[in-house]
Amino acid sequence: DAKTTQPNSMESNEEEPVHLPCNHSTISGTDYIHWYRQLPSQGPEYVIHGLTSNVNNRMASLAIAEDRKSSTLILHRATLRDAAVYYCILRDVWRDDKIIFGKGTRLHILP
Amino acid sequence: GAGVSQTPSNKVTEKGKYVELRCDPISGHTALYWYRQSLGQGPEFLIYFQGTGAADDSGLPNDRFFAVRPEGSVSTLKIQRTERGDSAVYLCASSFGNRESTEAFFGQGTRLTVV
Repeated sequence: DAKTTQPNSMESNEEEPVHLPCNHSTISGTDYIHWYRQLPSQGPEYVIHGLTSNVNNRMASLAIAEDRKSSTLILHRATLRDAAVYYCILRDVWRDDKIIFGKGTRLHILP
Repeated sequence: GAGVSQTPSNKVTEKGKYVELRCDPISGHTALYWYRQSLGQGPEFLIYFQGTGAADDSGLPNDRFFAVRPEGSVSTLKIQRTERGDSAVYLCASSFGNRESTEAFFGQGTRLTVV
């Protein structure tokens, strides 16, 4: 399985943008980049995914490097409710569709 | 219901006993996943179903763990001869399972405690 590398933890101030990085230097051409987050005492929830182009949805934006070896999840205006563990995951739906979680980044939001 | 439902939410069992954990996926979702999560760790993949069949069970730690999905909907994770090390939150997720890589929806999990 392709691996991702994320910082263990990050801090941000409330109401400021947050940029969560992810490295995936061994990504294959059919790997989609997915982001999930897990709030305390909850199951993970989907945030966003993309293949090559940058993506936006109501929760976040995903910026994908041109060589696809890294990506950044952008929360435009963090709130206290965004404090969670954020997981960057590669999914190759043409080989199998397992979702393999790493350790993720624990995001702390400071009021 | 609207989401993935897991029952029970909590289960305490004695070492050596047998337990069953149930997952009701979202209606129409063909893919179903089981994970377990220990404190401070990310979810650990156990098994993945596509329809009734186990597409990948490479994450099951040993032969005490078994999962079924006989009608392609509800799934049961079965653990025989439980050990204290099996204590964890067991998570279930489901998705449409098509190749457009849609999102997976997770349940709230079953917290299993083996005493």
